[in-house]
Amino acid sequence: GENVEQHPSTLSVQEGDSAVIKCTYSDSASNYFPWYKQELGKGPQLIIDIRSNVGEKKDQRIAVTLNKTAKHFSLHITETQPEDSAVYFCAASMGDTGRRALTFGSGTRLQVQP
Amino acid sequence: DGGITQSPKYLFRKEGQNVTLSCEQNLNHDAMYWYRQDPGQGLRLIYYSQIVNDFQKGDIAEGYSVSREKKESFPLTVTSAQKNPTAFYLCASTRASVTGELFFGEGSRLTVL
Repeated sequence: GENVEQHPSTLSVQEGDSAVIKCTYSDSASNYFPWYKQELGKGPQLIIDIRSNVGEKKDQRIAVTLNKTAKHFSLHITETQPEDSAVYFCAASMGDTGRRALTFGSGTRLQVQP
Repeated sequence: DGGITQSPKYLFRKEGQNVTLSCEQNLNHDAMYWYRQDPGQGLRLIYYSQIVNDFQKGDIAEGYSVSREKKESFPLTVTSAQKNPTAFYLCASTRASVTGELFFGEGSRLTVL
Protein backbone atom coordinates (compact mmCIF):
# COMPACT_ATOMS: atom_id res chain seq x y z
CA GLY A 1 0.00 0.00 0.00
CA GLU A 2 0.86 3.66 0.03
CA ASN A 3 3.54 4.96 2.40
CA VAL A 4 3.99 8.67 3.10
CA GLU A 5 7.07 10.03 4.85
CA GLN A 6 7.16 13.55 6.27
CA HIS A 7 10.07 15.74 7.43
CA PRO A 8 10.94 17.40 9.68
CA SER A 9 9.02 16.18 12.71
CA THR A 10 9.48 19.55 14.45
CA LEU A 11 10.23 22.98 13.02
CA SER A 12 10.79 26.23 14.86
CA VAL A 13 10.95 29.54 12.98
CA GLN A 14 10.91 33.21 13.84
CA GLU A 15 7.78 35.20 13.06
CA GLY A 16 8.01 36.50 9.51
CA ASP A 17 10.32 33.73 8.30
CA SER A 18 9.30 31.01 5.85
CA ALA A 19 8.63 27.38 6.75
CA VAL A 20 8.95 24.37 4.45
CA ILE A 21 7.67 20.86 5.16
CA LYS A 22 8.46 17.99 2.80
CA CYS A 23 6.76 14.68 2.05
CA THR A 24 7.52 11.71 -0.15
CA TYR A 25 5.09 9.02 -1.26
CA SER A 26 5.65 5.52 -2.56
CA ASP A 27 2.71 4.69 -4.85
CA SER A 28 2.97 6.30 -8.29
CA ALA A 29 -0.81 5.78 -8.68
CA SER A 30 -1.51 8.42 -6.01
CA ASN A 31 -2.93 11.55 -7.56
CA TYR A 32 -4.35 13.68 -4.75
CA PHE A 33 -2.17 15.37 -2.12
CA PRO A 34 -3.80 17.45 0.64
CA TRP A 35 -2.26 19.23 3.60
CA TYR A 36 -4.03 19.46 6.95
CA LYS A 37 -3.48 21.70 9.97
CA GLN A 38 -4.32 20.38 13.42
CA GLU A 39 -4.59 22.62 16.45
CA LEU A 40 -4.34 21.23 19.95
CA GLY A 41 -7.27 18.98 20.89
CA LYS A 42 -9.03 19.49 17.55
CA GLY A 43 -9.54 17.52 14.38
CA PRO A 44 -7.36 18.32 11.34
CA GLN A 45 -8.58 20.91 8.84
CA LEU A 46 -7.69 21.08 5.17
CA ILE A 47 -5.52 24.09 4.29
CA ILE A 48 -4.54 23.34 0.70
CA ASP A 49 -4.52 20.44 -1.74
CA ILE A 50 -3.03 19.62 -5.13
CA ARG A 51 -3.81 17.07 -7.80
CA SER A 52 -1.27 15.29 -9.95
CA ASN A 53 -2.03 17.29 -13.08
CA VAL A 54 -0.73 20.46 -11.40
CA GLY A 55 2.82 21.30 -10.32
CA GLU A 56 2.15 24.17 -7.92
CA LYS A 57 -0.77 25.80 -6.17
CA LYS A 58 -0.89 28.95 -4.04
CA ASP A 59 -3.38 30.37 -1.60
CA GLN A 60 -2.23 33.64 -0.02
CA ARG A 61 0.72 32.77 2.28
CA ILE A 62 0.68 29.04 1.64
CA ALA A 63 1.77 27.09 -1.40
CA VAL A 64 2.23 23.46 -2.31
CA THR A 65 4.56 22.05 -4.96
CA LEU A 66 4.46 18.57 -6.46
CA ASN A 67 7.19 16.65 -8.26
CA LYS A 68 5.57 13.52 -9.67
CA THR A 69 8.81 12.13 -11.09
CA ALA A 70 10.53 12.23 -7.72
CA LYS A 71 7.29 11.44 -5.86
CA HIS A 72 7.57 14.28 -3.42
CA PHE A 73 5.53 17.32 -2.49
CA SER A 74 6.15 20.25 -0.18
CA LEU A 75 4.24 22.84 1.82
CA HIS A 76 5.59 26.37 1.91
CA ILE A 77 4.36 28.97 4.40
CA THR A 78 5.66 32.51 3.95
CA GLU A 79 5.58 35.40 6.44
CA THR A 80 4.79 33.03 9.30
CA GLN A 81 2.64 34.26 12.18
CA PRO A 82 2.18 32.87 15.70
CA GLU A 83 -1.26 31.53 14.73
CA ASP A 84 0.46 29.27 12.18
CA SER A 85 1.79 27.24 15.14
CA ALA A 86 0.17 23.80 14.89
CA VAL A 87 0.80 20.27 13.67
CA TYR A 88 0.74 19.89 9.90
CA PHE A 89 0.05 16.62 8.08
CA CYS A 90 0.57 15.73 4.47
CA ALA A 91 -1.44 12.93 2.85
CA ALA A 92 -1.79 11.03 -0.39
CA SER A 93 -4.64 9.20 -2.07
CA MET A 94 -5.25 7.28 -5.24
CA GLY A 95 -8.26 9.47 -5.82
CA ASP A 96 -11.00 8.12 -7.98
CA THR A 97 -9.35 4.78 -8.57
CA GLY A 98 -8.64 2.14 -5.97
CA ARG A 99 -8.84 3.05 -2.34
CA ARG A 100 -9.81 6.68 -1.87
CA ALA A 101 -8.93 6.84 1.81
CA LEU A 102 -6.01 9.11 2.63
CA THR A 103 -2.64 7.85 3.85
CA PHE A 104 -1.11 10.42 6.19
CA GLY A 105 2.45 11.39 7.00
CA SER A 106 3.59 11.40 10.62
CA GLY A 107 3.14 15.13 11.10
CA THR A 108 5.30 18.23 11.63
CA ARG A 109 4.96 20.36 14.74
CA LEU A 110 5.54 23.96 13.65
CA GLN A 111 6.31 26.56 16.27
CA VAL A 112 6.45 30.21 15.25
CA GLN A 113 8.36 32.29 17.77
CA PRO A 114 7.07 35.88 18.17
CA ASP B 1 -24.51 24.17 11.20
CA GLY B 2 -23.32 21.20 9.15
CA GLY B 3 -20.54 19.10 10.54
CA ILE B 4 -19.35 15.96 12.23
CA THR B 5 -20.09 15.25 15.87
CA GLN B 6 -18.06 12.76 17.86
CA SER B 7 -18.93 11.63 21.35
CA PRO B 8 -17.83 11.25 24.00
CA LYS B 9 -14.87 13.65 23.91
CA TYR B 10 -13.11 11.77 26.71
CA LEU B 11 -13.65 8.15 27.69
CA PHE B 12 -12.04 5.93 30.27
CA ARG B 13 -12.23 2.19 30.07
CA LYS B 14 -11.09 -0.70 32.17
CA GLU B 15 -9.15 -3.46 30.50
CA GLY B 16 -11.40 -6.15 29.05
CA GLN B 17 -14.31 -3.81 28.34
CA ASN B 18 -15.71 -2.97 24.93
CA VAL B 19 -16.49 0.68 24.24
CA THR B 20 -18.35 2.35 21.38
CA LEU B 21 -17.43 5.76 19.98
CA SER B 22 -20.17 7.68 18.23
CA CYS B 23 -19.80 9.59 14.96
CA GLU B 24 -22.69 11.48 13.36
CA GLN B 25 -22.59 13.77 10.31
CA ASN B 26 -25.23 16.04 8.77
CA LEU B 27 -23.22 16.92 5.66
CA ASN B 28 -25.03 14.35 3.50
CA HIS B 29 -21.68 12.69 2.78
CA ASP B 30 -21.61 9.14 1.50
CA ALA B 31 -18.15 8.14 2.74
CA MET B 32 -17.07 7.97 6.37
CA TYR B 33 -13.75 7.04 7.98
CA TRP B 34 -12.20 6.23 11.34
CA TYR B 35 -8.58 7.15 12.03
CA ARG B 36 -6.45 6.53 15.08
CA GLN B 37 -3.86 9.11 16.11
CA ASP B 38 -0.86 8.31 18.30
CA PRO B 39 1.96 10.73 19.13
CA GLY B 40 4.55 10.87 16.36
CA GLN B 41 2.68 8.42 14.12
CA GLY B 42 0.23 10.56 12.27
CA LEU B 43 -3.22 9.25 11.46
CA ARG B 44 -3.74 5.57 10.69
CA LEU B 45 -6.87 4.27 8.98
CA ILE B 46 -8.99 1.80 10.99
CA TYR B 47 -12.14 1.33 8.89
CA TYR B 48 -13.95 3.16 6.12
CA SER B 49 -17.36 3.03 4.50
CA GLN B 50 -18.21 4.35 1.05
CA ILE B 51 -21.93 3.59 1.28
CA VAL B 52 -24.59 2.48 3.74
CA ASN B 53 -24.40 -1.19 4.79
CA ASP B 54 -20.88 -1.57 3.41
CA PHE B 55 -17.47 -1.00 5.01
CA GLN B 56 -13.85 -2.05 4.50
CA LYS B 57 -10.92 -2.66 6.80
CA GLY B 58 -8.18 -0.09 6.84
CA ASP B 59 -4.57 -0.59 7.83
CA ILE B 60 -5.11 -1.32 11.56
CA ALA B 61 -8.57 -2.92 11.82
CA GLU B 62 -7.68 -5.69 14.28
CA GLY B 63 -9.55 -5.30 17.57
CA TYR B 64 -12.09 -2.83 16.13
CA SER B 65 -15.54 -3.19 14.61
CA VAL B 66 -17.92 -0.79 12.86
CA SER B 67 -21.42 -0.63 11.43
CA ARG B 68 -23.05 1.62 8.85
CA GLU B 69 -26.80 1.19 9.15
CA LYS B 70 -27.55 4.85 8.43
CA LYS B 71 -25.87 7.33 6.12
CA GLU B 72 -25.40 9.78 8.99
CA SER B 73 -23.85 7.41 11.50
CA PHE B 74 -20.65 5.34 11.65
CA PRO B 75 -19.99 4.09 15.19
CA LEU B 76 -16.68 2.46 16.13
CA THR B 77 -16.43 -0.27 18.77
CA VAL B 78 -13.07 -0.77 20.42
CA THR B 79 -13.12 -4.36 21.61
CA SER B 80 -11.18 -6.06 24.36
CA ALA B 81 -9.11 -7.70 21.61
CA GLN B 82 -7.42 -4.36 20.82
CA LYS B 83 -4.12 -4.67 22.65
CA ASN B 84 -3.26 -1.00 22.94
CA PRO B 85 -6.47 1.02 22.69
CA THR B 86 -5.35 4.22 24.42
CA ALA B 87 -5.34 6.82 21.62
CA PHE B 88 -7.09 9.78 20.03
CA TYR B 89 -9.78 8.62 17.58
CA LEU B 90 -10.90 10.79 14.68
CA CYS B 91 -13.95 10.31 12.49
CA ALA B 92 -14.14 11.94 9.06
CA SER B 93 -16.44 12.12 6.08
CA THR B 94 -16.37 13.16 2.45
CA ARG B 95 -18.47 12.92 -0.70
CA ALA B 96 -17.72 9.55 -2.25
CA SER B 97 -18.16 10.69 -5.82
CA VAL B 98 -14.92 12.67 -5.93
CA THR B 99 -11.74 12.67 -3.92
CA GLY B 100 -11.65 15.86 -2.00
CA GLU B 101 -11.67 17.40 1.40
CA LEU B 102 -12.05 15.16 4.41
CA PHE B 103 -14.06 16.82 7.13
CA PHE B 104 -12.99 15.71 10.61
CA GLY B 105 -14.79 15.64 13.91
CA GLU B 106 -13.19 16.99 17.08
CA GLY B 107 -12.04 13.53 18.15
CA SER B 108 -12.53 11.19 21.08
CA ARG B 109 -9.71 10.48 23.51
CA LEU B 110 -9.87 6.95 24.91
CA THR B 111 -7.79 6.01 27.94
CA VAL B 112 -7.57 2.45 29.21
CA LEU B 113 -6.96 2.25 32.92
